[in-house]
Amino acid sequence: EIVLTQSPGTLSLSPGERATLSCRASQTIRSEYLAWYQQKPGQAPRLLVYGTSNRATGIADRFSGRGSGTDFTLTITRLEPEDFAVYYCQHYGSSPPMYTFGQGTKLENK
Amino acid sequence: QVQLEQSGAEVKQPGSSVKVSCRPPGGLLNSKALNWVRQAPGQGPEWMGGIIPVFGTTNYAQKLRGRITITADRSTGTAYMELSSLRSEDTAIYYCAREPLWFRDLSGHFEDWGQGTLVTVSS
Repeated sequence: EIVLTQSPGTLSLSPGERATLSCRASQTIRSEYLAWYQQKPGQAPRLLVYGTSNRATGIADRFSGRGSGTDFTLTITRLEPEDFAVYYCQHYGSSPPMYTFGQGTKLENK
Repeated sequence: QVQLEQSGAEVKQPGSSVKVSCRPPGGLLNSKALNWVRQAPGQGPEWMGGIIPVFGTTNYAQKLRGRITITADRSTGTAYMELSSLRSEDTAIYYCAREPLWFRDLSGHFEDWGQGTLVTVSS
């Protein structure tokens, strides 16, 4: 079973700064099956990026994803006040179908 | 992104079962799978299982096999998740989440979510 490890656990930044969130897989994964979500308190997760680097519908272009193999990153350029939330990476493995989430990175307003 | 409509909060006794419904706007589409994801208090999301309504195929997380059943009623456009033998560790918010199919294959990500259903297991 693939384990996703996110770092840091908490990231303290100010609006306007750049955030870089990391997701490391325990073994090489296919990049088309790595996604990122944002979750705010009391809300369901929201899809930001799928297939490592494809922004979901309606997602601002300050969000970008990249990576390959075991190392993936989500970058948020120029943080806006509404970006402070918890972020999860997620992987899909097809044989058998299984979906795994990382433990999350909390992005907090410094 | 579209919000899926879920049934309301439930309080259940240990050992009992719970059945949660999910109705996407427009019903169950041939181009989508429907998954269930839960989130215990203060924890990250955990995938439970899913169904591809057009094929009727289901997949379940290994740790829940034997206790979980996911079904889809195409006539009413509603999907259901039933979890039996409930224990306190099953207390969580349960979400349905819709996944696009790429041709006939699962795409591996969840583009639309329900509002969540709080299930509390307590005596």
